[in-house]
Amino acid sequence: RKEVEQDPGPFNVPEGATVAFNCTYSNSASQSFFWYRQDCRKEPKLLMSVYSSGNEDGRFTAQLNRASQYISLLIRDSKLSDSATYLCVVNRGSSYKLIFGSGTRLLVRP
Amino acid sequence: GAVVSQHPSWVICKSGTSVKIECRSLDFQATTMFWYRQFPKQSLMLMATSNEGSKATYEQGVEKDKFLINHASLTLSTLTVTSAHPEDSSFYICSPGLAGDHEQFFGPGTRLTVL
Repeated sequence: RKEVEQDPGPFNVPEGATVAFNCTYSNSASQSFFWYRQDCRKEPKLLMSVYSSGNEDGRFTAQLNRASQYISLLIRDSKLSDSATYLCVVNRGSSYKLIFGSGTRLLVRP
Repeated sequence: GAVVSQHPSWVICKSGTSVKIECRSLDFQATTMFWYRQFPKQSLMLMATSNEGSKATYEQGVEKDKFLINHASLTLSTLTVTSAHPEDSSFYICSPGLAGDHEQFFGPGTRLTVL
């Protein structure tokens, strides 16, 4: 079983749609959770950290369910510029090492 | 966020040659550097962790004699792919570790193609 699992997609949605991505992780000792965005042939860039209480940043909302070891990302009012691969990232146990999911590809069409 | 540079941004080389990739942290001192690689349509995989002035720690399955890491200063770490082969073709990305912070920022990456 992979340490971090994501649906690879692609999710193909029209502009303005709401889309949700899910991610599960296997290490119950993990403490830090993130969503990164990666554009084609570029490095990953931090989109947002994920906190236990859930957090929102504009059109993006992240949720964490520690009991189910499950993380989600909700994107509202999708823009063309949201097209990218979204990486679910979890630290390995109590270490600083990050484990990356293989990413979920989002395509927003006009 | 942290500013990180990598050089070169891309390189094409013949099989058997060695390639050195530099990673610089421009606006802070990085005591730890993480090196990742990413094959097409796959996830980033951690290769090794280096601490300034000491030997790097390699992840399982990564050959330390093939991927030489030097972290001689707080602003520069290098990864040398020795005797590169086509299967080493990948996107190599560095990421400085910030003490007390699990968030990581990444260099722009180096795309290596071995012919």
